[in-house]
Amino acid sequence: DIQMTQSPSFLSASVGDRVTINCKASQNINKYLDWYQQKLGEAPKLLIYNTNSLHTGIPSRFSGSGSGTDFTLTISSLQPEDVATYFCLQHNSGSWTFGGGTKLELK
Amino acid sequence: QVQLKESGPGLVQPSQTLSLTCTVSGFSLTSNSVHWVRQPPGKGLEWVGAIWSGGSTDYNSALKSRLSISRDTSKSQVFLKMNSLQTEDTAIYFCTRRGYNWGQGVMVTVSS
Repeated sequence: DIQMTQSPSFLSASVGDRVTINCKASQNINKYLDWYQQKLGEAPKLLIYNTNSLHTGIPSRFSGSGSGTDFTLTISSLQPEDVATYFCLQHNSGSWTFGGGTKLELK
Repeated sequence: QVQLKESGPGLVQPSQTLSLTCTVSGFSLTSNSVHWVRQPPGKGLEWVGAIWSGGSTDYNSALKSRLSISRDTSKSQVFLKMNSLQTEDTAIYFCTRRGYNWGQGVMVTVSS
């Protein structure tokens, strides 16, 4: 099974900061890495699919990069509404694996 | 408009079987995969399994021996059955269309 290691687990940043979250796969997953945002009490929301494609309606301050085993989610200028937990998801094989999550809070 | 809605019992006794239904609208099950994902209280997301557009299934290897996912395309419903439930199976269970659209989730508590 493919394992996903996400870092950091917790992140505190100020409005306007550039924020990066990382995910590392235990083996090559090509480009098949998605990013989700989950706010308290809500279902996850797709932000980025296949490494760097912005999902419909998602603000352009969110972007994704990477390939193979190392991937990054970047928020270019943190906004108050971005406070949430973020998860990566690999779907290279028939089975999916989520990263452990990054809880993002405002400083 | 794509919608998914989970339904099922909120409370299940240990060692019993969980049966959940995901009722979908706005898309065809024969053209889209539907996945089950669960989230224990205060914890991260765990992929449970999937039924693909062609009807084949894949399961989380840690749950495979206890799990069955099926569907009724005429009713636009996907079913999850998990047996031998334990307290660690307590979680919110979500169904999702390929990760793009999600149901609101259903809380399942395993307790006597």
